Amino acid sequence: NAGVIQTPRHKVTGKGQEATLWCEPISGHSAVFWYRQTIVQGLEFLTYFRNQAPIDDSGMPKERFSAQMPNQSHSTLKIQSTQPQDSAVYLCASSPGTGYEQYFGPGTRLTVL
Amino acid sequence: QQKVQQSPESLTVSEGAMASLNCTFSDRSSDNFRWYRQHSGKGLEVLVSIFSDGEKEEGSFTAHLNRASLHVFLHIREPQPSDSALYLCAVRGGTGSNRLTFGKGTKFSLIP
Repeated sequence: NAGVIQTPRHKVTGKGQEATLWCEPISGHSAVFWYRQTIVQGLEFLTYFRNQAPIDDSGMPKERFSAQMPNQSHSTLKIQSTQPQDSAVYLCASSPGTGYEQYFGPGTRLTVL
Repeated sequence: QQKVQQSPESLTVSEGAMASLNCTFSDRSSDNFRWYRQHSGKGLEVLVSIFSDGEKEEGSFTAHLNRASLHVFLHIREPQPSDSALYLCAVRGGTGSNRLTFGKGTKFSLIP
C-alpha cells in the first residue's frame, strides 16, 4: 500500500498564475480531506469529500480556490490567480469512511513568488 | 467554532526524562482526540487516538483525556532522539462535523 500520494511535492508559481494540486487517496477509501499548513496559522481544514461528493467546504477561501473529485482515485485542489499568501504546504488525507482514522499524504509545498 | 490550543510552544527535555504536552479544546461535543507527530518536511503520523475519558497507551505514548476540564494530554515515556518533532493535537467533531481542528503544535526536542 503506497499510502496517500500527492503530486507534485513542490510547486513554484508566479503571482497571478494558476496552481493545480493532485491527491490520490488510498485505494478503497471513500473520504478525502484537504488541509493547509502554514507557520502562522498552523494546520487548517479546507474541504472534504465523501464518495466523491463535496460534504463540507467551509474552510475554503471563497475566491480563487476550488476542489473536485471526478473519480474515486483522485482529487484536485485548484488555486486561480495565486498570491504570495497562498504559499503553504497543502495536505491531503483519506479515510475508509466517516469517523475512521485519516491517513495523511506527504503534502505539496506551494511557493508563490 | 472549535478552538484548539497547545502548550508549551516548544519543549526540550533530557534523554530519559518524561515529557508532557498539553492540549485544550472548546467544544464538549467533540468525540475524538488525536495526537500526531510531524518530522520536518514530512507528513503526519498518528500516535494515539482516544474517544473516552481516561488514558490510552500506544507504545511509549500515552494520551489522557479529561472532557470535563476540556484537556487532553500526551505523555512521552523515555523519549528518544527520533522523537524530536512537531507534535499536533487534533480534535474531531463538535456540531456533527467530521473535520479535524488542529492546534498549532508543540516543537519537541531532546538534549542528548
